[in-house]
Amino acid sequence: NAGVTQTPKFRILKIGQSMTLQCAQDMNHNYMYWYRQDPGMGLKLIYYSVGAGITDKGEVPNGYNVSRSTTEDFPLRLELAAPSQTSVYFCASSSYRDYNEQFFGPGTRLTVL
Amino acid sequence: GESVGLHLPTLSVQEGDNSIINCAYSNSASDYFIWYKQESGKGPQFIIDIRSNMDKRQGQRVTVLLNKTVKHLSLQIAATQPGDSAVYFCAEKLGGNNRKLIWGLGTSLAVNP
Repeated sequence: NAGVTQTPKFRILKIGQSMTLQCAQDMNHNYMYWYRQDPGMGLKLIYYSVGAGITDKGEVPNGYNVSRSTTEDFPLRLELAAPSQTSVYFCASSSYRDYNEQFFGPGTRLTVL
Repeated sequence: GESVGLHLPTLSVQEGDNSIINCAYSNSASDYFIWYKQESGKGPQFIIDIRSNMDKRQGQRVTVLLNKTVKHLSLQIAATQPGDSAVYFCAEKLGGNNRKLIWGLGTSLAVNP
């Protein structure tokens, strides 16, 4: 099992550009999450999904969009990138039964200049 | 607002000693409390969780203590090893069907050889 994979690992965007952060998991998990982690801080939930076709906002959804067309994939879309979106983005997944144990990807380090 | 926070931002211990990492929470409605470990450059990794109706739970070299009277949670690591050096986060899951976690700021644990 590859677990949770994320691409790209690093990205630099200019203000106003858009991009999609990819996330995939091969554990057949129902739940998937997107977090951002600012330096020296904890994780803030951006969006989450409880299954294909179902998504909901987290604590900090503004400036982001998600979709969940399959169980495996949960891409995060940034529209009109702003410097405030400079952060490390983590995707995670968990099973229906053991939802406290979230499995995290390696993260995407995004810089917006 | 509701928050999960940590008493000590950094902790330095000698290899072989026991480590205690503390966490304060404010949401009485949380039904689970969870500890995660994040090594440098990686995503968080689940360590252990404890249900709100329990006072203590033990894992491999780790013990979680929950004091609901003072809303305090601690993670004890026995015989701390250099591989335990990481940032430790406590998180809480709100009760009911909520699958989201609220994360604390983290404590950095440094193990000196």
